[in-house]
Amino acid sequence: AQSVTQLDSQVPVFEEAPVELRCNYSSSVSVYLFWYVQYPNQGLQLLLKYLSGSTLVKGINGFEAEFNKSQTSFHLRKPSVHISDTAEYFCAVTTNRDDKIIFGKGTRLHILP
Amino acid sequence: EAQVTQNPRYLITVTGKKLTVTCSQNMNHEYMSWYRQDPGLGLRQIYYSMNVEVTDKGDVPEGYKVSRKEKRNFPLILESPSPNQTSLYFCASSPRTLEKLFFGSGTQLSVL
Repeated sequence: AQSVTQLDSQVPVFEEAPVELRCNYSSSVSVYLFWYVQYPNQGLQLLLKYLSGSTLVKGINGFEAEFNKSQTSFHLRKPSVHISDTAEYFCAVTTNRDDKIIFGKGTRLHILP
Repeated sequence: EAQVTQNPRYLITVTGKKLTVTCSQNMNHEYMSWYRQDPGLGLRQIYYSMNVEVTDKGDVPEGYKVSRKEKRNFPLILESPSPNQTSLYFCASSPRTLEKLFFGSGTQLSVL
């Protein structure tokens, strides 16, 4: 069965600084990977996804992620964060073996002024 | 407006009193799913459905039931709620598994 690990439960970063949120996965078959964002008191929204092709994926709000098969990682990056990026970020994985979508435990991004 | 609608938004109940949380989507999506979100545990999938009359267990199905009699509706049923089912619940839908999930606004359930 597939699984996903988000190593950091919280990440503080200064406004306009770069950020990387880490995500590692485990699976015996090919995976499809997603990053979702949850703003306070809201449901989740898709930031970006990797299905196939280019390993560098660009998403909304200036975020991007890189699929690294050898390191089984799918880290999320943004070159310059803003206060409005304060949210919880979830990495998710699925495969074409079943239709389960497994989410990580989430990483809270705190933007410091 | 395309959306996933969950009701109620907040619910307080007592142990053992059956309840249903409704979920409806107006996008003709095939895939629907229920998650519970708990602090430090992220989102865990309860049940999912690929189409009408097709439902499958997620990672934490114990104590829950679902049905998919119509494509647009996917209610979550707690036959005998217990305090450990106190949680924030989200319904989500997508055209297919590999498409993005559209989430409802959530239902905060407290079981006393």
